[in-house]
Amino acid sequence: SQQGEEDPQALSIQEGENATMNCSYKTSINNLQWYRQNSGRGLVHLILIRSNEREKHSGRLRVTLDTSKKSSSLLITASRAADTASYFCATGQGGKLIFGQGTELSVKP
Amino acid sequence: GAGVSQSPRYKVAKRGQDVALRCDPISGHVSLFWYQQALGQGPEFLTYFQNEAQLDKSGLPSDRFFAERPEGSVSTLKIQRTQQEDSAVYLCASSYFTGIIYNEQFFGPGTRLTVL
Repeated sequence: SQQGEEDPQALSIQEGENATMNCSYKTSINNLQWYRQNSGRGLVHLILIRSNEREKHSGRLRVTLDTSKKSSSLLITASRAADTASYFCATGQGGKLIFGQGTELSVKP
Repeated sequence: GAGVSQSPRYKVAKRGQDVALRCDPISGHVSLFWYQQALGQGPEFLTYFQNEAQLDKSGLPSDRFFAERPEGSVSTLKIQRTQQEDSAVYLCASSYFTGIIYNEQFFGPGTRLTVL
């Protein structure tokens, strides 16, 4: 069963714009991770935020975590066509990952 | 260094056949995970090994699914008497996770199983 929901399910933007994806989850967590999946490179880890952290940055990525609302957001700034992919949030529970349904991002050149 | 590898990359089976999917994790990774991903969905957890011990098999959908990692390295996911609903991409992942500190999982390219 899926842990949470991602919003929106699909997002289409122009190159250079920012993209924001949201994730909600149901149970208490140790950490939340974001992954990207495209046909070329499979499923790739982007960033991990622990339950005692509120915000984390990595290059053009910014992740926030609100444990009181059981939600997280992923912001990709200055998007590129190469960012086109599906993005999944996943919560870490006892080692295993529980994934959301994903957001399909399309960045048009 | 080599990443996680899986074989075969594609498998077509007739309903009722048995299949075996192989995963070679990153050398030295203690933990190994299997996930099932249906089309248009996120991956769903199947089972987890720490070295050779299978610590969690709560995600295996039926007793037709069996996984092993006898020497704590390579793992095999076996599906007996395949059904059409078993058609999916099977992903293997490995990590340094030892039950204490959480970290990222490294995924293989997956095996796409199609059951006719």
